[in-house]
Amino acid sequence: DAGVIQSPRHEVTEMGQEVTLRCKPISGHNSLFWYRQTMMRGLELLIYFNNNVPIDDSGMPEDRFSAKMPNASFSTLKIQPSEPRDSAVYFCASSRRRSTDTQYFGPGTRLTVL
Amino acid sequence: AQRVTQPEKLLSVFKGAPVELKCNYSYSGSPELFWYVQYSRQRLQLLLRHISRESIKGFTADLNKGETSFHLKKPFAQEEDSAMYYCALNNGWGKLQFGAGTQVVVTP
Repeated sequence: DAGVIQSPRHEVTEMGQEVTLRCKPISGHNSLFWYRQTMMRGLELLIYFNNNVPIDDSGMPEDRFSAKMPNASFSTLKIQPSEPRDSAVYFCASSRRRSTDTQYFGPGTRLTVL
Repeated sequence: AQRVTQPEKLLSVFKGAPVELKCNYSYSGSPELFWYVQYSRQRLQLLLRHISRESIKGFTADLNKGETSFHLKKPFAQEEDSAMYYCALNNGWGKLQFGAGTQVVVTP
């Protein structure tokens, strides 16, 4: 198993542009998590899904951020319009169940908004 | 409020010396705590969890509810232990709250 797959690995864009980050969880995992990592705020949970349904999006910073999980093998995190302060590393993670199972992380997408 | 505190941003130790990474938490319920590690150019991965009570790569961590701590310890640090370590708290609903992380540098 290749583990959690994220694309792109690096993204450089200009302020105001739309950015879409992609994640493929490990097959058979029911929960998917999106995190953002910055020097100032560390690792923050943005949103998580269970069985493709968003359970908690309280960490999503503002309306410019949206996430979808159309099926069990794919999720997107979209930022529209992007701003320089969105520059961060975005991680996707998946786990078997919602509660206490180990979360397996993807390699992350390093986003730079100019 | 739920909180995870790692007071040390950077910990520099010599090879063979003991290393202890501090983690304190605040949580009203029964906590489930984890240590995750990120080696250079690798993914964030689980190191150990308190319910397992096991030693991984020589590391152990004991949950102390009285002191609300979950410190990570290793008696003899190795160069390959150099990494970023995160303490994390599961709030029972699958959400992991991470501490700010501690960068460990083991020098020969």
